[in-house]
Amino acid sequence: SQTIHQWPATLVQPVGSPLSLECTVEGTSNPNLYWYRQAAGRGLQLLFYSVGIGQISSEVPQNLSASRPQDRQFILSSKKLLLSDSGFYLCAWRVSYNEQFFGPGTRLTVL
Amino acid sequence: AQKITQTQPGMFVQEKEAVTLDCTYDTSDQSYGLFWYKQPSSGEMIFLIYQGSYDEQNATEGRYSLNFQKARKSANLVISASQLGDSAMYFCAMRERRNTGFQKLVFGTGTRLLVSP
Repeated sequence: SQTIHQWPATLVQPVGSPLSLECTVEGTSNPNLYWYRQAAGRGLQLLFYSVGIGQISSEVPQNLSASRPQDRQFILSSKKLLLSDSGFYLCAWRVSYNEQFFGPGTRLTVL
Repeated sequence: AQKITQTQPGMFVQEKEAVTLDCTYDTSDQSYGLFWYKQPSSGEMIFLIYQGSYDEQNATEGRYSLNFQKARKSANLVISASQLGDSAMYFCAMRERRNTGFQKLVFGTGTRLLVSP
């Protein structure tokens, strides 16, 4: 079956520390993958998307970066976190033109 | 650019009643898709229903139906026979397609639904 995983589920980090969030999918190959961020009480903002290994597109300039080292692995990173990086990060996977599923999310708090 | 508008920040409904969550959209594309997602307090985004712009019939999935009015550019979600477990945030989204063929979802700001006993 097709599944999408994210970890960690919750993370509290100090300002200036690095970040690495991981997303993996199972049950498919060459998926289109997405990273979204949701600020408290807001809608989702697309951060990055990837159509294949090593292929990353950024939607908005910011303090974050993404990488896709393997076909079913998508990583969100930062070298130095800012307070404004706090939020709920969701990885998503486009199964078809009318199906896009989300992972369970990572709640990041930067103090 | 495409835009999704959800004008109801919060809605209240009694258990077993029906409720309509509003969604209007703006696009110049002829071919597009509309999605509804449910986000409970746990944070996960749960796919509910999809409507394609060329679909002649309104989409239905169990207790969920989509009232699609193309001329008005609205895609309201109707939940029949509300249950306590329906209390959550609900997001309307539109599929945006780039010239490269890449597709992404543009989300509205959401509506918080509270179902009371």
